[in-house]
Amino acid sequence: SQQGEEDPQALSIQEGENATMNCSYKTSINNLQWYRQNSGRGLVHLILIRSNEREKHSGRLRVTLDTSKKSSSLLITASRAADTASYFCATAAILTGGGNKLTFGTGTQLKVEL
Amino acid sequence: DTGVSQDPRHKITKRGQNVTFRCDPISEHNRLYWYRQTLGQGPEFLTYFQNEAQLEKSRLLSDRFSAERPKGSFSTLEIQRTEQGDSAMYLCASSLRRGSTDTQYFGPGTRLTVL
Repeated sequence: SQQGEEDPQALSIQEGENATMNCSYKTSINNLQWYRQNSGRGLVHLILIRSNEREKHSGRLRVTLDTSKKSSSLLITASRAADTASYFCATAAILTGGGNKLTFGTGTQLKVEL
Repeated sequence: DTGVSQDPRHKITKRGQNVTFRCDPISEHNRLYWYRQTLGQGPEFLTYFQNEAQLEKSRLLSDRFSAERPKGSFSTLEIQRTEQGDSAMYLCASSLRRGSTDTQYFGPGTRLTVL
């Protein structure tokens, strides 16, 4: 079953604009991760934020985490056509042996137009 | 770049047939995962190996599904007596233990179509 949902389900913006996607989840987490998926490169890890962190940056990406509201947001600044993809948040629960079970949301389809 | 590879990339089969998929993880990665993704949804966890030991299985993994990682390197996922509901993308991921976090690197997936 899906952990939560991303909002919006679809987003269309112009190149150069910022894109914000939100993710809600249901259970306690060890960390939350964001992934990008497109037909060309499959599912690619973007950024990880631990449960004791509130904000994290990586290049043009900014992620926030609010564990009290069980929500996260991903901001992509100065978007490019190459950012067109589906974006998923995934919460991680620790498994036996220390692995992480990722539970993905339903995704946001981002389209960046020239 | 030796990322995660999966074979075949596409498989079309008739209902009732058995299929087997292979995953080759990044060479030094000791953890391996299988996920399934249906159209319009995010991936769902199926099972997890640490080295050759299968440590976790989802309830999604019915008795028609079996996964192995015999020497702690490549893994196979077999589906027996396929059903139309098995049609999905099957994704493999691998990771290397670094503290409590576990960045998983995904392969391109095997798209299964059951007719």
